[in-house]
Amino acid sequence: AQKVTQAQTEISVVEKEDVTLDCVYETRDTTYYLFWYKQPPSGELVFLIRRNSFDEQNEISGRYSWNFQKSTSSFNFTITASQVVDSAVYFCALLSPSGNAGKSTFGDGTTLTVKP
Amino acid sequence: DAGVIQSPRHEVTEMGQEVTLRCKPISGHNSLFWYRQTMMRGLELLIYFNNNVPIDDSGMPEDRFSAKMPNASFSTLKIQPSEPRDSAVYFCASSLARGQPQHFGDGTRLSIL
Repeated sequence: AQKVTQAQTEISVVEKEDVTLDCVYETRDTTYYLFWYKQPPSGELVFLIRRNSFDEQNEISGRYSWNFQKSTSSFNFTITASQVVDSAVYFCALLSPSGNAGKSTFGDGTTLTVKP
Repeated sequence: DAGVIQSPRHEVTEMGQEVTLRCKPISGHNSLFWYRQTMMRGLELLIYFNNNVPIDDSGMPEDRFSAKMPNASFSTLKIQPSEPRDSAVYFCASSLARGQPQHFGDGTRLSIL
């Protein structure tokens, strides 16, 4: 069975603070993919990043960075120098191509509020 | 490039009425997903198709819900008869292939009175 846990339901920070969103996953598959999506207040869901299970390199994209650690089954997301526009619900998702190929398991989401 | 297109954006109807939600996936994408999002239950996968064939409909809540994908560029999600508890935002998403990210439409905000 697959599971994604985002233990932080809500996080509130002040602008310019760094913030890390946690994601812990469970799967018995050796090949899988991890994703982060952003849902701003306007409601759309936006893809941010994909990582496959064989690539543990951390990734940085501007103020966003992702830390993938297979040893702890975690795929955490850090926003550096947060801005008000980062306020959104962030979802972590897991896809294991075996079994129900193509079906992603989403976490419950973390609501991030960045205050000015 | 056009993204996933959903219609209508908003739908308000009375309980008992039939509701049809529509989705046009991104051209070339071979997987299509229908999700429902509510405050109480979060984001739930209802059904997904691969190459127009339904693969997993275990998330469809009950027989009142049905989904079709008659061709690669169109899918519908139908609720008949609708009930107030069906009120939610319904998202359609498509992906290029196995392991690829899903691209979501803007959603349909459905209110059943």
